[in-house]
Amino acid sequence: NAGVTQTPKFQVLKTGQSMTLQCAQDMNHEYMSWYRQDPGMGLRLIHYSVGAGITDQGEVPNGYNVSRSTTEDFPLRLLSAAPSQTSVYFCASRALGTGGTYGYTFGSGTRLTVV
Amino acid sequence: AQRVTQPEKLLSVFKGAPVELKCNYSYSGSPELFWYVQYSRQRLQLLLRHISRESIKGFTADLNKGETSFHLKKPFAQEEDSAMYYCASLGGAQKLVFGQGTRLTINP
Repeated sequence: NAGVTQTPKFQVLKTGQSMTLQCAQDMNHEYMSWYRQDPGMGLRLIHYSVGAGITDQGEVPNGYNVSRSTTEDFPLRLLSAAPSQTSVYFCASRALGTGGTYGYTFGSGTRLTVV
Repeated sequence: AQRVTQPEKLLSVFKGAPVELKCNYSYSGSPELFWYVQYSRQRLQLLLRHISRESIKGFTADLNKGETSFHLKKPFAQEEDSAMYYCASLGGAQKLVFGQGTRLTINP
């Protein structure tokens, strides 16, 4: 199992550009989520999905879109990048119904800089 | 609203000294609580789950419902414990909410 795979690892965008951060998991996890990590603010939930075709907003959804057409993939789209979106982005997944038995599995992160 | 608070952004102790990283939560239901650790520029790794009452790498954490706390403790710190530690709560709608994180530095 590869676990949770994120691509790219690094990206520099110009203000106004769009891009998609990819996230894939091979553990057949129903639940997937995107976080951004900023100094002093911890990890904040952007969007999450409890299964294919179902997505919902987290704490900081503005400026981001998601879709979940398959169980494996959960891409995060930046429609028009802004410097405030400079951050490290983490994708995470877990199996539903496991309660506290298992935590989330995290990807290695995408470091995004918007200039 | 579900919220997790880690009051200390930075914590520095000497090798061999006891360590306690504080975490308080607010959630109207019965939360499931976790501690995650992030070593330098690596992905987050699950350290502890409150439901399992386990000890990992010498760390333990006890859920205190009266004080709504889930502090992380280790009796004797080691240099390799230097990392960023996040407390997290799994609450409604399966959302995992994190605290702001505490950067632990172990001095030799």
